[in-house]
Amino acid sequence: AQTVTQSQPEMSVQEAETVTLSCTYDTSENNYYLFWYKQPPSRQMILVIRQEAYKQQNATENRFSVNFQKAAKSFSLKISDSQLGDTAMYFCAFMPNFGNEKLTFGTGTRLTIIP
Amino acid sequence: EPEVTQTPSHQVTQMGQEVILRCVPISNHLYFYWYRQILGQKVEFLVSFYNNEISEKSEIFDDQFSVERPDGSNFTLKIRSTKLEDSAMYFCASIGREVEAFFGQGTRLTVV
Repeated sequence: AQTVTQSQPEMSVQEAETVTLSCTYDTSENNYYLFWYKQPPSRQMILVIRQEAYKQQNATENRFSVNFQKAAKSFSLKISDSQLGDTAMYFCAFMPNFGNEKLTFGTGTRLTIIP
Repeated sequence: EPEVTQTPSHQVTQMGQEVILRCVPISNHLYFYWYRQILGQKVEFLVSFYNNEISEKSEIFDDQFSVERPDGSNFTLKIRSTKLEDSAMYFCASIGREVEAFFGQGTRLTVV
């Protein structure tokens, strides 16, 4: 069974600074997908970024980027120029293959951006 | 941008009553899921649905739960005889060929 570990229950950072959230996972699969989701106080789950394991290039989406280290089974999220609206719970998630496979979530990191 | 839509946003029900949570997935998506999140806790998988049948279910998804896609668009989760511990946020999700799992805004279920 796959497991996803987020070792930072809470983090805080000053507005405009850069913050990195860590995630590690355990799997015997070679091809898989990794995701970061943002859950603001409204509790909606918003997809932030996605990484395909067979792609060596790290995914980026505007201020959000990942550092994907396949051998280390690490998938960290970097938020640059952090904004107050980035305050939320962040969940890392793993999916073994496309189709018919469930997402497994980590326990989340509560990120607070301090004005 | 296409989105997953869930109704209602909040449901309060008496213990022992049946509830139906509704979801309209993104139209060209193929795989559908229900997850739940008890307040402050982890997001837990309940069930996945593909080609009009359940493909996988968790140990949480016991006989009190059922899912169906009655008309090719709606995707429902039925909870029979609700218990206090069923109080949670329930999320519907769908995945298409781009392998981006989109979630609905959730239904907050409160069992009293």
